[in-house]
Amino acid sequence: ETGVTQTPRHLVMGMTNKKSLKCEQHLGHNAMYWYKQSAKKPLELMFVYSLEERVENNSVPSRFSPECPNSSHLFLHLHTLQPEDSALYLCASSQVRTGPDEQFFGPGTRLTVL
Amino acid sequence: SQQGEEDPQALSIQEGENATMNCSYKTSINNLQWYRQNSGRGLVHLILIRSNEREKHSGRLRVTLDTSKKSSSLLITASRAADTASYFCAPRGSQGNLIFGKGTKLSVKP
Repeated sequence: ETGVTQTPRHLVMGMTNKKSLKCEQHLGHNAMYWYKQSAKKPLELMFVYSLEERVENNSVPSRFSPECPNSSHLFLHLHTLQPEDSALYLCASSQVRTGPDEQFFGPGTRLTVL
Repeated sequence: SQQGEEDPQALSIQEGENATMNCSYKTSINNLQWYRQNSGRGLVHLILIRSNEREKHSGRLRVTLDTSKKSSSLLITASRAADTASYFCAPRGSQGNLIFGKGTKLSVKP
């Protein structure tokens, strides 16, 4: 176990649903990340939070809304998604954002949008 | 771009053989990291090599870094079926985020 947990592990939703993905890290890290991994594409960085402040938003559509209420928790709120949003969503954390250290990943949420 | 590009895209070997994966990148780096991902799971950090290091070992893993050629290699010795996974390199600049490539998919047949 890497100390980063994600729930749910699997999620199926319709295009009109609203759901949230949750990430929790137990490592005392100050930076947290959301990534999207689609089939046959590189891992895409979506959002970066450092000390609970969003420091990067990589041109992600507004139907994805992140929230970081404290340094241990990160949410990704989903609404009116499209079928092409089906992917594995990975959360990660690191000690600091700009340091040289490694990132620790959660197991991911497999999202299917019908 | 800092993105690492792994080569080959897929590699199939027999148990006990060595597996070598390569990574190339385009800009200067602070360090380069290798990660492993089992099918449909999160990534696991394997090893980090700093820009002033040329070689690093960790168990059956050996990583080399050639900053003049902007390339790195990951060698897994005496491979096992459990090594079957995708392997990603992630070059990291002094300020930037980790940017992952498409990975090398390794299959180790028993």
